[in-house]
Amino acid sequence: QQQVKQSPQSLIVQKGGIPIINCAYENTAFDYFPWYQQFPGKGPALLIAIRPDVSEKKEGRFTISFNKSAKQFSLHIMDSQPGDSATYFCAASWRGATNKLIFGTGTLLAVQP
Amino acid sequence: GAVVSQHPSRVICKSGTSVKIECRSLDFQATTMFWYRQFPKKSLMLMATSNEGSKATYEQGVEKDKFLINHASLTLSTLTVTSAHPEDSSFYICSARPPSRGAYNEQFFGPGTRLTVL
Repeated sequence: QQQVKQSPQSLIVQKGGIPIINCAYENTAFDYFPWYQQFPGKGPALLIAIRPDVSEKKEGRFTISFNKSAKQFSLHIMDSQPGDSATYFCAASWRGATNKLIFGTGTLLAVQP
Repeated sequence: GAVVSQHPSRVICKSGTSVKIECRSLDFQATTMFWYRQFPKKSLMLMATSNEGSKATYEQGVEKDKFLINHASLTLSTLTVTSAHPEDSSFYICSARPPSRGAYNEQFFGPGTRLTVL
């Protein structure tokens, strides 16, 4: 019930393409869904996050789509660039300062020039 | 804002020695910090939740006596790997939650510490 399932495991797109990474969860108590970007040898960086009261959130080239009834959310990267090549993790959590982030398994994205 | 630092970024030690890793929130106070471990090409595994002024809460399967956590102040948490062995070699990452973010569990991560035990 606490798992967050992420797919695909890896993804290759051409520059300018729109990679889509999907995540699914079971625990309906989750109310915070962030996405993190991680480059090799670095810590994860918070990219964008959504709460279940909205179905979509955009920040620059990054968009989260959220489907509460299906318990799914996804990250879209518009006009992808080689510099976007990284590992992306979705996560979920429920309200509270000490509550954990439950991470997905990660997606390795490669954007080819 | 919301910057978290870790020190050292890399450490190599001999088997049997202890290693201390520091995690600092640079521009905010964090009553709660989190310690993660990450294996190559794997996701982050939460080891423990560090609470200022109280004992850390460890995840199931994490040895409390091997991974000592001390949240000494509102801006500093330390992880000490005691009697390190090669299997403890990993990438250790901390995170902290700024209180101004409200009740949602928004966490900001440090840059990580690469531990290699010979």
